[in-house]
Amino acid sequence: KAGVTQTPRYLIKTRGQQVTLSCSPISGHRSVSWYQQTPGQGLQFLFEYFSETQRNKGNFPGRFSGRQFSNSRSEMNVSTLELGDSALYLCASSQIPGQGHYEQYFGPGTRLTVT
Amino acid sequence: GNSVTQMEGPVTLSEEAFLTINCTYTATGYPSLFWYVQYPGEGLQLLLKATKADDKGSNKGFEATYRKETTSFHLEKGSVQVSDSAVYFCALSESQQGAQKLVFGQGTRLTINP
Repeated sequence: KAGVTQTPRYLIKTRGQQVTLSCSPISGHRSVSWYQQTPGQGLQFLFEYFSETQRNKGNFPGRFSGRQFSNSRSEMNVSTLELGDSALYLCASSQIPGQGHYEQYFGPGTRLTVT
Repeated sequence: GNSVTQMEGPVTLSEEAFLTINCTYTATGYPSLFWYVQYPGEGLQLLLKATKADDKGSNKGFEATYRKETTSFHLEKGSVQVSDSAVYFCALSESQQGAQKLVFGQGTRLTINP
């Protein structure tokens, strides 16, 4: 099976602009989660989608949003970019178990640089 | 809220040395515990997991045991290789209204010298 794919891999944007990142989960995986990785804050949860519904959201401002399509692909959007938004954005997919806990499989990430 | 604390890095070892990376957690309930590894320029790869107390996860020579009494999930390997150089993250799964998310430790950078 192909792994989680993210596009683009690298992105440079200017303060005030907006950006859209894309994630395609592993085939058959219906849950997609997004994480932000920075040297200062580490790995922080952004949001999780399942069946086109956001089920969980981390502690990020409203400038960060996302959505999921019927084929489970997901996009996240950041509006009015700030310098502090420079980070590696990681997408992870997982199957939904009948019960209990599940593994998340990560993509290679999109490196966003805001200048 | 739930949290994960890893030993401070960076950690530098010689090839074939014994590795321990400490991880402790604070959580309500009984989360699953994971170790992920990140190689330079890449995303996270799941290394191993444990879903209940006393479970031992293992993969590629790495092991970790879910210790409920000490709330720990230390990563060990008997003989490290240069190719093990990477950043290692301990994580727990947190459940909220049916949705789950991972809570990560700060990561430990491991360098293995030949």
